[in-house]
Amino acid sequence: KAGVTQTPRYLIKTRGQQVTLSCSPISGHRSVSWYQQTPGQGLQFLFEYFSETQRNKGNFPGRFSGRQFSNSRSEMNVSTLELGDSALYLCASSFQGVETQYFGPGTRLLVL
Amino acid sequence: AQTVTQSQPEMSVQEAETVTLSCTYDTSESNYYLFWYKQPPSRQMILVIRQEAYKQQNATENRFSVNFQKAAKSFSLKISDSQLGDTAMYFCAFMKLYSGGGADGLTFGKGTHLIIQP
Repeated sequence: KAGVTQTPRYLIKTRGQQVTLSCSPISGHRSVSWYQQTPGQGLQFLFEYFSETQRNKGNFPGRFSGRQFSNSRSEMNVSTLELGDSALYLCASSFQGVETQYFGPGTRLLVL
Repeated sequence: AQTVTQSQPEMSVQEAETVTLSCTYDTSESNYYLFWYKQPPSRQMILVIRQEAYKQQNATENRFSVNFQKAAKSFSLKISDSQLGDTAMYFCAFMKLYSGGGADGLTFGKGTHLIIQP
């Protein structure tokens, strides 16, 4: 089975722009979670989508949003980018969200 | 809210030695999972081992085993016969389970950088 894939792998944006990241889960997995990893804050949970609905949300501002499609693929959007949004964004999938999460390779976002 | 603490920022051992990474967590929940993930320089997060809180038996996966002390809220990882490929950041993570189904997102510790020396 193919693993979790994320596109793009690297991205450079400037402050004020918006960005969309994509995640394709393992085939058959219906839950997709997103995490932000920074040197200062470590790994933090952004949100989880299950069956096209946001089921859980971490403590991030409304500039961070996401959605999930009927094929379980998920996108994450960050609007009005700030320098502090520079991070590695990790996507993880699981069958129903209550089992082991399997991670993708991540998207490295640099905001200038 | 749950917290996960890894008190060892960095550890270094010789190849073939045994090493134990520490993790403590704070929760009032009774239904949860605990995980160890490794993140090598490629930044790919890889599952090492999972422990269900309701299980008394410690989980093992080949050279990797845990010492799960539920009352003490301790969850350490033991790596036996360490190999150069074990060099990575190791993260301890907590997942709260809901009685009606579903779970919280993972809460991670700050990580331990493990270096295996040849």
